[in-house]
Amino acid sequence: DTGVSQDPRHKITKRGQNVTFRCDPISEHNRLYWYRQTLGQGPEFLTYFQNEAQLEKSRLLSDRFSAERPKGSFSTLEIQRTEQGDSAMYLCASSPKTRGRGLTYNEQFFGPGTRLTVL
Amino acid sequence: QQQVKQSPQSLIVQKGGIPIINCAYENTAFDYFPWYQQFPGKGPALLIAIRPDVSEKKEGRFTISFNKSAKQFSLHIMDSQPGDSATYFCAADGGDTGRRALTFGSGTRLQVQP
Repeated sequence: DTGVSQDPRHKITKRGQNVTFRCDPISEHNRLYWYRQTLGQGPEFLTYFQNEAQLEKSRLLSDRFSAERPKGSFSTLEIQRTEQGDSAMYLCASSPKTRGRGLTYNEQFFGPGTRLTVL
Repeated sequence: QQQVKQSPQSLIVQKGGIPIINCAYENTAFDYFPWYQQFPGKGPALLIAIRPDVSEKKEGRFTISFNKSAKQFSLHIMDSQPGDSATYFCAADGGDTGRRALTFGSGTRLQVQP
């Protein structure tokens, strides 16, 4: 499977614990995004990487959240001191840099997501 | 200015019907408008997308109509099937000089009855 993969698919944790999620983008894509989706809502942007550089962060990304993309490959999203309000689906997406091979603009391809439940 | 407003919230049609989902935006810097389909427990899947320099794009049974002056766009699903039952999201991208993240609508839950 050459799509975006995320691990784990489900995570249940207790309030106050730290959690870390991993995203492996499509191999030739240099842009990587993290979104959060709550029930009945569209995905909301959290942060964006171009290669290893984190270029944009949403105001939704509090100081308890940190994301990395070492060497411009996979990415991790860590949430420290989880709160019940952090319960959501965390989605990763990737897109290629250049417009070519029939792709237009910022086509983003999403992974299956990690469902986080904070008890 | 970053909002994308989507309607209706839910939609029920009979098999073979043509559901229409509408979206509106304010930010004129948006220059790419994709639609995503999402099944329960899955990530959104890119369905079809349009640029504002065309008024319509068709791929298979899916058609996007785009009205630049009204800042509105819509998704039409021709000959809808029960397998099309899913949640559909419109989105907008900020373009070369704007933010790079997609701004999503709130979603439309479509049910196609057999």
